[in-house]
Amino acid sequence: DTAVSQTPKYLVTQMGNDKSIKCEQNLGHDTMYWYKQDSKKFLKIMFSYNNKELIINETVPNRFSPKSPDKAHLNLHINSLELGDSAVYFCASSPRPTDSPLHFGNGTRLTVT
Amino acid sequence: QQQVKQSPQSLIVQKGGIPIINCAYENTAFDYFPWYQQFPGKGPALLIAIRPDVSEKKEGRFTISFNKSAKQFSLHIMDSQPGDSATYFCAASVTGNQFYFGTGTSLTVIP
Repeated sequence: DTAVSQTPKYLVTQMGNDKSIKCEQNLGHDTMYWYKQDSKKFLKIMFSYNNKELIINETVPNRFSPKSPDKAHLNLHINSLELGDSAVYFCASSPRPTDSPLHFGNGTRLTVT
Repeated sequence: QQQVKQSPQSLIVQKGGIPIINCAYENTAFDYFPWYQQFPGKGPALLIAIRPDVSEKKEGRFTISFNKSAKQFSLHIMDSQPGDSATYFCAASVTGNQFYFGTGTSLTVIP
């Protein structure tokens, strides 16, 4: 009974391709996030949505585009993939923007070759 | 600029030891300080959190010590076990704003 689930778990693709990662939460939370964890395990926020509205949009290349069709889903689409995009991408949710625990998914390991 | 500085980067202790992980911050507006635990292949999970109105919080074998004047907080793991081997992240946030994570500490507890 996974609270925050993301698919796929692994994604291997070539440079220049376009790919998407999907995320769903069944916790009834209002806020969802995308985080990037690099090879040194540093966690950096990319985007945050509250009730389907974008509230945090960190400095990421505009090749990355989040989409929230409803409160329970937040997808990440990446265009023209580059080698440097290789990382683990985590989806997370919280009842409200910060000030409350983040519930993370198990990550999507993206490898760009 | 790293908003939350975490040390050490890695830590090895014997079973039963008390590993201590330290974090420091500059932004005095931060009002929520959680610690997350991450096992390989999994997402981080909330371990324990503290607000700046208390100096210590304990949950089971995990204790946060908070020093508001020094702008530092630390995680202590009592009677550490091999199952505690994981990466630990401190974080800080201003209510309603984003979380800032430390750089992580890889803990290994040797049986």
